[in-house]
Amino acid sequence: QVQLQESGPGLVKPSETLSLTCTLSGASVTSGSYYWSWIRQAPGKELEWIGYIHKSGSTNYNPSLKSRVTILIETSMNQFSLKVTSVTAADTAIYYCTRSRPYCSDGSCDWYFFDYWGQGTLVTVPS
Amino acid sequence: DIQMTQSPSSLSASVGDRVTITCRASQGIRNYVAWFQQKPGKPPQSLMYAASSLLSGVPSKFSGKGSGTDFTLTISSLQPEDFGTYYCQQYHSFPWTFGPGTKVEIE
Repeated sequence: QVQLQESGPGLVKPSETLSLTCTLSGASVTSGSYYWSWIRQAPGKELEWIGYIHKSGSTNYNPSLKSRVTILIETSMNQFSLKVTSVTAADTAIYYCTRSRPYCSDGSCDWYFFDYWGQGTLVTVPS
Repeated sequence: DIQMTQSPSSLSASVGDRVTITCRASQGIRNYVAWFQQKPGKPPQSLMYAASSLLSGVPSKFSGKGSGTDFTLTISSLQPEDFGTYYCQQYHSFPWTFGPGTKVEIE
């Protein structure tokens, strides 16, 4: 059974860097062809996809956050991580790590959907 | 970005009722839609992908249909454990985007 677990500080000061780690169990970040994503949910707001990383190290970020976000993969630890720089109160949210697996259509497997989610971790940036 | 809208924003129904939630994309996304259920204080749980394919372990009372811009999620016979907020999401184009959610309450 694939399980993802987020960890990191629950409180980050404004202008500092938010750093979270997602630890995978029941599977390897290097197995298969999956995308490992971060998603966040601000209080009372919609889910927002932040970005993903592939085992190759290739990444894709939401343009709304791209200038402040870095996602890295640490294969030896079976983890991937998220860094968001220059945080403000608007970055207060529950952060989830997820796995996406490929969906194949018309002979191509270029589409990915979320199948597993971590429990989420609340990060608060005081105003 | 592709905008996803959902209707209704909330609904209240009785046990045994058939419930349908609608999701609309701002442009055509073929069938690249997923659905999630989220209960308070819990992470979203993936229910469905490709508009109508259930993930392993998801009860068959959930069904989905649609293509292009209009999609539906139906719960054939609402049960007490089906309360929560349901989200649709498109994975046709980046950035992947979610709908605002439909809150389902049991009368």
